[in-house]
Amino acid sequence: GAVVSQHPSWVICKSGTSVKIECRSLDFQATTMFWYRQFPKQSLMLMATSNEGSKATYEQGVEKDKFLINHASLTLSTLTVTSAHPEDSSFYICSARNRILTDTQYFGPGTRLTVL
Amino acid sequence: QKEVEQNSGPLSVPEGAIASLNCTYSDRVSQSFFWYRQYSGISPELIMSIYSNGDKEDGRFTAQLNKASQYVSLLIRDSQPSDSATYLCAVNFSGGYNKLIFGAGTRLAVHP
Repeated sequence: GAVVSQHPSWVICKSGTSVKIECRSLDFQATTMFWYRQFPKQSLMLMATSNEGSKATYEQGVEKDKFLINHASLTLSTLTVTSAHPEDSSFYICSARNRILTDTQYFGPGTRLTVL
Repeated sequence: QKEVEQNSGPLSVPEGAIASLNCTYSDRVSQSFFWYRQYSGISPELIMSIYSNGDKEDGRFTAQLNKASQYVSLLIRDSQPSDSATYLCAVNFSGGYNKLIFGAGTRLAVHP
């Protein structure tokens, strides 16, 4: 149980384009999903917290107009990187919190984004 | 500022030895603590969660929590080369944060 999927697993795009990443909880309902970014040899950096049916809460320094988050259902959250630039190239990982074990976060496999 | 601190390592141990990974945190009233393992280029995998003072064992892994000292550790018995990874300590801080704060991770290298 507690499986989280992400799609796509990797994406290469041109500078200026937008990229959408999907995060799904496959076998549980997740009231809260989290989006992280990880640069090489660095730890996870929380970008935003996404609650089902409400606006995402962004961490300080994260541009909400650039990183659009939608959490339309209890099993799906999406992150759209708008007008991507090379500095946005990173490993984007989502996690979902199980409603029963409310503190435990389960991570998706991650999406590696490369912006040319 | 909520902080979680770990020694970045690398911690090098011989195969079969006990690896001891340590983590300290700044918020005295934190309630939930987690250890994740992350292989290079892969997303983190939950190893252990611990909520009460004392030890919690799961197979070769033992998590230890001391809230008075604001200290949580992970012991790996009979270390194997496949345990070589970065281990992330995460704390769910109280006071409305309701999110995990991660340490920078400790890189463990188990050599044959």
